[in-house]
Amino acid sequence: KAGVTQTPRYLIKTRGQQVTLSCSPISGHRSVSWYQQTPGQGLQFLFEYFSETQRNKGNFPGRFSGRQFSNSRSEMNVSTLELGDSALYLCASSLVPGTSGSNEQFFGPGTRLTVL
Amino acid sequence: DQQVKQNSPSLSVQEGRISILNCDYTNSMFDYFLWYKKYPAEGPTFLISISSIKDKNEDGRFTVFLNKSAKHLSLHIVPSQPGDSAVYFCAASVYSGGYQKVTFGTGTKLQVIP
Repeated sequence: KAGVTQTPRYLIKTRGQQVTLSCSPISGHRSVSWYQQTPGQGLQFLFEYFSETQRNKGNFPGRFSGRQFSNSRSEMNVSTLELGDSALYLCASSLVPGTSGSNEQFFGPGTRLTVL
Repeated sequence: DQQVKQNSPSLSVQEGRISILNCDYTNSMFDYFLWYKKYPAEGPTFLISISSIKDKNEDGRFTVFLNKSAKHLSLHIVPSQPGDSAVYFCAASVYSGGYQKVTFGTGTKLQVIP
């Protein structure tokens, strides 16, 4: 079974531009979460999608948005990029978000975004 | 407000010795805890987990201990191997508002020296 894939793997943008990142979850997984990883901040939760609906959102400005398609693939968009947006953006999928805390997440390799 | 904290950003251990990675949390409602391992250029991968109703879970060389009264968990790796060199994230989850919310710590970079 193929793992979580993310495209592109690397991206360089300039301040003020906007960017779209893509994530394809493991086949059969319907929940997709996005995280931002920066040195010293760990994994900061951005948002989670299930059945094309955003179910949970972290403390990020409105410049960060996302969506999920009917095939569970997800995209996140960052508008008006700032230098501080430079980070590794990770996507994680899980079967179905449920009540069990053991609902393991499977991560993709991430997209390394550099904002100049 | 960082609800899950890993106060040691890095740790160096000799091969064959024990590695102990620590994690503290503030939310007493967390009911499940997980550890993930991350190699450079790869996404985190699940390592081991523990329910809040237990105080220990073991899987091969990896053991996670949970001290609920102290709101503290630790990951023990025995014996440590060079291939264990990675960044380790602890995570805690709580069922809230109809779904599970997961909070990750800041990570500890483990270096196992041959």
